[in-house]
Amino acid sequence: EAGVAQSPRYKIIEKRQSVAFWCNPISGHATLYWYQQILGQGPKLLIQFQNNGVVDDSQLPKDRFSAERLKGVDSTLKIQPAKLEDSAVYLCASSLDYWGLETQYFGPGTRLLVL
Amino acid sequence: AQSVTQPDIHITVSEGASLELRCNYSYGATPYLFWYVQSPGQGLQLLLKYFSGDTLVQGIKGFEAEFKRSQSSFNLRKPSVHWSDAAEYFCAVGAQLGGTSYGKLTFGQGTILTVHP
Repeated sequence: EAGVAQSPRYKIIEKRQSVAFWCNPISGHATLYWYQQILGQGPKLLIQFQNNGVVDDSQLPKDRFSAERLKGVDSTLKIQPAKLEDSAVYLCASSLDYWGLETQYFGPGTRLLVL
Repeated sequence: AQSVTQPDIHITVSEGASLELRCNYSYGATPYLFWYVQSPGQGLQLLLKYFSGDTLVQGIKGFEAEFKRSQSSFNLRKPSVHWSDAAEYFCAVGAQLGGTSYGKLTFGQGTILTVHP
């Protein structure tokens, strides 16, 4: 079974530029998550989708971050414009269940550096 | 709101020695508790989870954890550490989003494990 795929793996941009990350979850998984992991910290949930609907985006900085889940499968996370403090690893995860407390399967992450 | 504290940022043990990683949580109701491991350059992998029932749970790679409600703790243990266990370990608490049937995870800040030969 293929795991969660993410691209790109690394991205370096200058502040005020835009960037987008892509995630392909495990086939059939209902719930998809985007986490931000700043160096030295644990992952912080940015947004959680159930199929293609958002169930929690309370920690997403909506003035600059946006996310969508196309047809309940792939997802993209966008930052526009980026700030220095957005430098982090962005992790995508998916889980089979609908309610979001079963095992989450994580992708390798996208490491973003904002200069 | 729920929260998780992992008091130890970095732990060093010798190969073959026993290991205990500490985790304390704060949550008003019965928590759902998880331990994940993150190896360098890789995503997180679930080691074990506690939902209810037996307070001692067994996981993969020889790990176990014990839920102690009175101490609000969920410490991870392994009787004999292998060099391949060197990684970062995250404790997480799951709780329902207010007013919904959905849940979310809150992670601790992690404990880095170094294993000496």
